[in-house]
Amino acid sequence: DTGVSQDPRHKITKRGQNVTFRCDPISEHNRLYWYRQTLGQGPEFLTYFQNEAQLEKSRLLSDRFSAERPKGSFSTLEIQRTEQGDSAMYLCASSSNRVYGYTFGSGTRLTVV
Amino acid sequence: AQTVTQSQPEMSVQEAETVTLSCTYDTSENNYYLFWYKQPPSRQMILVIRQEAYKQQNATENRFSVNFQKAAKSFSLKISDSQLGDTAMYFCAFMKSESGGGADGLTFGKGTHLIIQP
Repeated sequence: DTGVSQDPRHKITKRGQNVTFRCDPISEHNRLYWYRQTLGQGPEFLTYFQNEAQLEKSRLLSDRFSAERPKGSFSTLEIQRTEQGDSAMYLCASSSNRVYGYTFGSGTRLTVV
Repeated sequence: AQTVTQSQPEMSVQEAETVTLSCTYDTSENNYYLFWYKQPPSRQMILVIRQEAYKQQNATENRFSVNFQKAAKSFSLKISDSQLGDTAMYFCAFMKSESGGGADGLTFGKGTHLIIQP
């Protein structure tokens, strides 16, 4: 197992377009998290899955954002009608036991032009 | 809601020196977990060390140790014998003890950029 994988590493899109990111967690991890990190800030929690169930969504996750984890394995994060304010690094993390911390992926850097 | 404050945006020390990064937090919880994560220029966050609030003993991982002061809500990270590879952003993070009800997510500080000079 090579850790948490995220695809793509970089995405440049025009304002108003839809984008989708993928995260492949560590296979035995049932918990999966999405975070957003803007320049000079720490990561901010977006949403959390336990297996295929989305158990928590942050207020940061507007109606334009949707996340899925069909079958409890990989997850996708879609942003519809992108805005310049969506430009950020989107981080995925997984864990088997939350109290021992997460394993993070390398992130997807989104630039909206 | 919890808040995590890292008051040092950037620190720079010479290789082999000892450096301490500060972190304070605000919570009404009694049981929780605290973490330090390292984010090198490659951007992948790596867990450095964790502390359970109910444990009085400070956590230690090789050259990394913490000074956990629960009453003061302080959680500093000490790096001994610093190495060039320690250059990175360091984030302090808080997690509630119980799962569910919005408790699963980590709350991060804004980070400290640590530069180790040769």
